[in-house]
This record gives sequence, structure tokens and C-alpha cells, in this order.
Amino acid sequence: SYVLIQPPSVSVAPGQTATLTCRADIIRIKRVHWYQHKVGQAPTLVIYDDSDRPSGIPDRFSGSTSADTATLTISRVEAEDEAVYHCHLWDGHSDGKFGGGTRLTVL
Amino acid sequence: QVQLVQSGTEVRKPGASVRLSCSTSGYDFMPNYIHWVRQAPGQGLEWMAWIKPNTGGLQYAPQFQDRVALSTDPTIDSVFLQLSRLTLNDTAIYFCARGGDWDWKTPFDYWGQGSLLIVSS
Repeated sequence: SYVLIQPPSVSVAPGQTATLTCRADIIRIKRVHWYQHKVGQAPTLVIYDDSDRPSGIPDRFSGSTSADTATLTISRVEAEDEAVYHCHLWDGHSDGKFGGGTRLTVL
Repeated sequence: QVQLVQSGTEVRKPGASVRLSCSTSGYDFMPNYIHWVRQAPGQGLEWMAWIKPNTGGLQYAPQFQDRVALSTDPTIDSVFLQLSRLTLNDTAIYFCARGGDWDWKTPFDYWGQGSLLIVSS
């Protein structure tokens, strides 16, 4: 089981908006990061500190938190966005935690 | 550009040890934390440990505390992960990833391509 709860899969049509969630009580007090992981590739940081976007990441990607839930929103979804998305935070003294990952399928 | 290049596939028997490497380039190796994260088949990511090359500081996740060791070779800007007393459950892809240079509680901004470890009798 995982401390951070992510739905296993989300499907969305091209051009629509994908909403991926990550839930845990600790999110109320911790910063959440999101990674995009395509098959056979290294993961890519797409959102850090809840809502900041690294340079080079399209502004279609945005993040937010509310209460115990962090949300990664991908607007105007494209086929290239198909990947597994992992949420991540630092829990306690020095323990990194990941969600189980959500597979985004672009229909 | 920043790159982390990892060693290739390893196959080991249960009880054996393995040493994986992560060679970095494109930035000053010494200040940034390097973390190791693994992904077992069908599972999510699991954080294992970090090392800070310029201080030698280390931190291991509790579940790996007694059988993992990280080291560095600054002459070749590389980090090594040694995992001992392997079991079938250690079969996974192992990633190295770069953290910040001021704190270990940072996101991972660059990742290696992963090293596949297969543990099989």
C-alpha cells in the first residue's frame, strides 16, 4: 500500500483536460512534486513545490493543492502526454514518498 | 546539458550483491544531492537513499538501512549504489536522480535512464 493515493488510470480525449490527483493527510503540510514517466525513458519533473513549473515544461501543465489533495492538471491534452504520472513528497525526517502512479491514456 | 548515465542490466542470484553506477555530467558534481529510486515490476517508485558528494553526507530509507551503501568517485563525477543480500523482491529498475544543492528535501530535476536488476535463481 502507499502513503500517497493516486488513481491507477485516467483516460482523456485529445484537447480535453486531464485531472490527476494525489491524496494523503500529510499533503496539508508538505510540498508535492510531480513526475512524468514514459515507457523506457527517464522520469521528468513537470511540477514542483505544489504548483511551480520547471523551465521547458509547457504551461498546459499546472499543479495545485487543497486540504489533503494535490492535483496535476493537464490542459489541451496531447498524445505525447500519455505516460505514468507520479506524485512525490518528503515525509518526516528523511523519507521520500511516492504515490503508486497514474497511467494517463490519451484516447 | 545535465546528464545522468547509468550502468546496464545486471543479473544476480539471491544472496548476492550488486553495484550500480551513475555517471553525471554537465554540472558541478560536488554540491548536488544524488538520490536513488527504484521501481519494481508493476509497482510505483520507491525512494532508497541519498548522498551529497561534497560532504559525504548519507541517508538511507529504513527498509534498506542494513544492506545498501552509497559512494562517490569525484574524479569521474560518479555515484555508486551497492545493494547486498539480494532477494527476488529486489528485481527492479534502479534510477539515480539529481536533487538540489542546498537541502535534501527537494524535487529531482534530472534522472538517469535506469538500470535493470534481475534477481533470479
